[in-house]
Amino acid sequence: QQQVKQSPQSLIVQKGGISIINCAYENTAFDYFPWYQQFPGKGPALLIAIRPDVSEKKEGRFTISFNKSAKQFSLHIMDSQPGDSATYFCATRGTSGSRLTFGEGTQLTVNP
Amino acid sequence: NAGVMQNPRHLVRRRGQEARLRCSPMKGHSHVYWYRQLPEEGLKFMVYLQKENIIDESGMPKERFSAEFPKEGPSILRIQQVVRGDSAAYFCASSPRGGTNEKLFFGSGTQLSVL
Repeated sequence: QQQVKQSPQSLIVQKGGISIINCAYENTAFDYFPWYQQFPGKGPALLIAIRPDVSEKKEGRFTISFNKSAKQFSLHIMDSQPGDSATYFCATRGTSGSRLTFGEGTQLTVNP
Repeated sequence: NAGVMQNPRHLVRRRGQEARLRCSPMKGHSHVYWYRQLPEEGLKFMVYLQKENIIDESGMPKERFSAEFPKEGPSILRIQQVVRGDSAAYFCASSPRGGTNEKLFFGSGTQLSVL
């Protein structure tokens, strides 16, 4: 049973534009929602994370928006740059454990 | 401070052979997680270990796969009698402690290719 659904599967954005990636989860027992960035040949790296007690978190050009009632959260990349081209994964973690459950990933391409 | 180290980076095995993947966590980290990534897919949880203990192995296939994290040395993911479907990238992550407040730090992975 897939617990985290991520969309879109791929995204092409022009330099300077806004990239938006969405995730929906099913289990209300999740309490930690990170986003990871992965470059080819590398492991995922934590980008930004949010807990359900806030609706938005911003770090530089990256913002997470969290909608607890809809069980959705999204990543916004403002002023997207070619160096942001990577695969992005949302993830969730339950209240009773420390393992992460990942979405299927979004391949982001930022054109110059 | 070195990050999570995985080796080898690339491993080629023929069907029926054994694959041993190693993971050295970050210094001071005593919790290790193994994930598998198939082409064009997300990361799938396999197993979570603490030193000398398996905490959660709910994502491990029932046969041919095993993992350990001894008191001394790296964590080992072992795949016996590999098949072509085992071809994937295997990632290890570590954290200083378990629990819901811990960040996971990933290694660069081992790409396993089964011929």
